Amino acid sequence: KNEVEQSPQNLTAQEGEFITINCSYSVGISALHWLQQHPGGGIVSLFMLSSGKKKHGRLIATINIQEKHSSLHITASHPRDSAVYICAGTNSGNTPLVFGKGTRLSVIA
Amino acid sequence: EAQVTQNPRYLITVTGKKLTVTCSQNMNHEYMSWYRQDPGLGLRQIYYSMNVEVTDKGDVPEGYKVSRKEKRNFPLILESPSPNQTSLYFCASSLWASGGMTQYFGPGTRLLVL
Repeated sequence: KNEVEQSPQNLTAQEGEFITINCSYSVGISALHWLQQHPGGGIVSLFMLSSGKKKHGRLIATINIQEKHSSLHITASHPRDSAVYICAGTNSGNTPLVFGKGTRLSVIA
Repeated sequence: EAQVTQNPRYLITVTGKKLTVTCSQNMNHEYMSWYRQDPGLGLRQIYYSMNVEVTDKGDVPEGYKVSRKEKRNFPLILESPSPNQTSLYFCASSLWASGGMTQYFGPGTRLLVL
């Protein structure tokens, strides 16, 4: 069965710190999505990647296909980055089918 | 404005009383899906639709029905709700663009079944 594991479950950081959230996935998953869920509940899609690295502003996502591992990095973290970050794997490239449990990030000023 | 809308946003109902949660997108996306989110379990896919009149089960389809008669709408139907369907529900639609796929999520529907 396809599985996605995230770590850590919870993360507290000081404003300005460099943050890394990790995601490991099982055989059969060909692409990873990173999502952000705000405290109010809304979900925003950040990245989808099947190889290499993508960057958007202070967010960077990488994926290592051989190791079946992806990371989400946040540079110069800010309190507004506080949210739950979710990785999700797809086996078809169409839409997420398997979700990680999420990483709750709190950035303190 | 490109968006996915869900209605209602909050609903309290009783066991066995049929209900429908509507989902509509204005982006002409072919792919739509429904998810539920529960504490400790995360997001799980209920049903998805590749296009009009094409639907398929996700991980947790029991107790739910969907239909896709038009591209923009993808309602979720609970024929006989039970308390274990109390959850936060999200509808999403998807677009393929250069560099990958972008998912657009609705604002969520909080359902309480008594």
